[in-house]
Amino acid sequence: GAVVSQHPSRVICKSGTSVKIECRSLDFQATTMFWYRQFPKKSLMLMATSNEGSKATYEQGVEKDKFLINHASLTLSTLTVTSAHPEDSSFYICSAGQDIETQYFGPGTRLLVL
Amino acid sequence: GQSLEQPSEVTAVEGAIVQINCTYQTSGFYGLSWYQQHDGGAPTFLSYNALDGLEETGRFSSFLSRSDSYGYLLLQELQMKDSASYFCAVRDRDYKLSFGAGTTVTVRA
Repeated sequence: GAVVSQHPSRVICKSGTSVKIECRSLDFQATTMFWYRQFPKKSLMLMATSNEGSKATYEQGVEKDKFLINHASLTLSTLTVTSAHPEDSSFYICSAGQDIETQYFGPGTRLLVL
Repeated sequence: GQSLEQPSEVTAVEGAIVQINCTYQTSGFYGLSWYQQHDGGAPTFLSYNALDGLEETGRFSSFLSRSDSYGYLLLQELQMKDSASYFCAVRDRDYKLSFGAGTTVTVRA
């Protein structure tokens, strides 16, 4: 199947700092990517849709100034958690679709804010 | 919005068959997907049903009935490595996925 990568896989930061997470589609071009967060033993919650060349579309309740998304190319989307706080600690996962049927997920980024 | 229901957990022995049901209520439906997620890992795609009927892929099969807003994932010849969480997800016209709460499958020897 298609490959989606994320970097970093794990990050620990101090409260108040910003963290950037990269999501890349390695063997296909993705005009749309999605960002999710997942708490332990819980389901995936869609945060936003990242659109290449235009603004991201955020789901209700997700602060766009808190979670900055940039989709600068057809293979790269970034999520920046600004002024991170302990409650932002979570598992962040991106996905990209090669066709209308499938979404391939990246390996995820585990964020811990101290 | 979307609402999906699936059982929270299922336990079975190696070699058994497990069926995970998923019912959904949606404002827009384009297909039902199934994903597997092992502890600490990312979800991996298992199957996608856009039309009614059964899709078979090896030991795993997925079924959809659009008129009943219902689908299931069938795991056959269970193996220890199948112990994981399984999520059903509804795709809308914008390709967005809404996930169920997940079913934890535990396979015992």
